[in-house]
Amino acid sequence: GQNIDQPTEMTATEGAIVQINCTYQTSGFNGLFWYQQHAGEAPTFLSYNVLDGLEEKGRFSSFLSRSKGYSYLLLKELQMKDSASYLCAVRDSNYQLIWGAGTKLIIKP
Amino acid sequence: GAVVSQHPSRVICKSGTSVKIECRSLDFQATTMFWYRQFPKKSLMLMATSNEGSKATYEQGVEKDKFLINHASLTLSTLTVTSAHPEDSSFYICSVVPGNTEAFFGQGTRLTVV
Repeated sequence: GQNIDQPTEMTATEGAIVQINCTYQTSGFNGLFWYQQHAGEAPTFLSYNVLDGLEEKGRFSSFLSRSKGYSYLLLKELQMKDSASYLCAVRDSNYQLIWGAGTKLIIKP
Repeated sequence: GAVVSQHPSRVICKSGTSVKIECRSLDFQATTMFWYRQFPKKSLMLMATSNEGSKATYEQGVEKDKFLINHASLTLSTLTVTSAHPEDSSFYICSVVPGNTEAFFGQGTRLTVV
């Protein structure tokens, strides 16, 4: 079956750096996405990786290793507004999005 | 990117009644739209794929007679929860995927059945 694993919850301090990991086993691979979701709201797109390596976008970076079935989202200079759930999603060979359960990130002052 | 509008954002209904949720693609003609359900602290669960002009494709375990989907135009898909029960209370979200880009979501609908 298809499976995406991410930690359920993480805590970090304002101003610090946090890395959220995601491992996947899917039927084929056509890209990996990271989304941010605040409670009671729809997810918003953060990043997309289809080739191995690091994609940097401001305070957020995302890394992919296809051979290891592994990705991480790196958040730098954490702000209180970064408190949210972060969802990892993989697009499989049928171009269906398979979603992880999300990682709830708690930022403390 | 695509702009997706979902309405209503919140609805409370009595058990046994039906509720209609609308999803509009405002700047993109969507032949396909996706309907998700999300329980608290859980992942997005794909319920069905809405196809313009034809029947929706439902995921395994989703009752098509309970969750009616109509995709009558390239900009509008509706999800009707029929004979709602408290266990249908959830967060429902629609999305579109223009080409092979990322998914764009509506604002979501919080349904509470009392």
